[in-house]
Amino acid sequence: AQSVTQLGSHVSVSEGALVLLRCNYSSSVPPYLFWYVQYPNQGLQLLLKYTSAATLVKGINGFEAEFKKSETSFHLTKPSAHMSDAAEYFCAVSDLTGGFKTIFGAGTRLFVKA
Amino acid sequence: GAVVSQHPSRVICKSGTSVKIECRSLDFQATTMFWYRQFPKKSLMLMATSNEGSKATYEQGVEKDKFLINHASLTLSTLTVTSAHPEDSSFYICSATGTSGTSTDTQYFGPGTRLTVL
Repeated sequence: AQSVTQLGSHVSVSEGALVLLRCNYSSSVPPYLFWYVQYPNQGLQLLLKYTSAATLVKGINGFEAEFKKSETSFHLTKPSAHMSDAAEYFCAVSDLTGGFKTIFGAGTRLFVKA
Repeated sequence: GAVVSQHPSRVICKSGTSVKIECRSLDFQATTMFWYRQFPKKSLMLMATSNEGSKATYEQGVEKDKFLINHASLTLSTLTVTSAHPEDSSFYICSATGTSGTSTDTQYFGPGTRLTVL
């Protein structure tokens, strides 16, 4: 069974500082991994995805994530935080078995201080 | 590309009434659509998976007679909350995976529907 663990329900950084949101996964088959962002009262927007190609994945808005199989991790980073990055971030895992069901982590709320 | 819409964005209804929420893929054909429920400050909980032309597959613990899902075409799926009660109040989000013209390994999400049952 697949699962996703996001370490830290809240992360606070200063504007211009490095953003690091942690995600560890569990999957019995090679996983597809995703990061989504959700702004208040809105749906989810895909930031980036890993689908067994390059292990360093670049996404929108300057975010990137690195797939590390040995650590079963897929942490999300951004070199310099902007105020507009304040939102909820979800890590998700899926595979092609079971109809491409996607399992979401609990989410991490990112706060950006001026 | 790969835009998913939901209607309505917000609905308030009285207890005991039924509410229908539409999910449409605007620029691609959605072979599979998913319905999620999200409680305040919580993650998404998958309710059901629907494939065009067949019955939806519900997750354990989700009442299929209460949450009716219809996926009648490749661009439309509907979720009907029957005999709604205050505990059904929540944020409902749909997503879709497509065929050609979109990434078939990615879910595209609608903006969500806020349901409030009085």
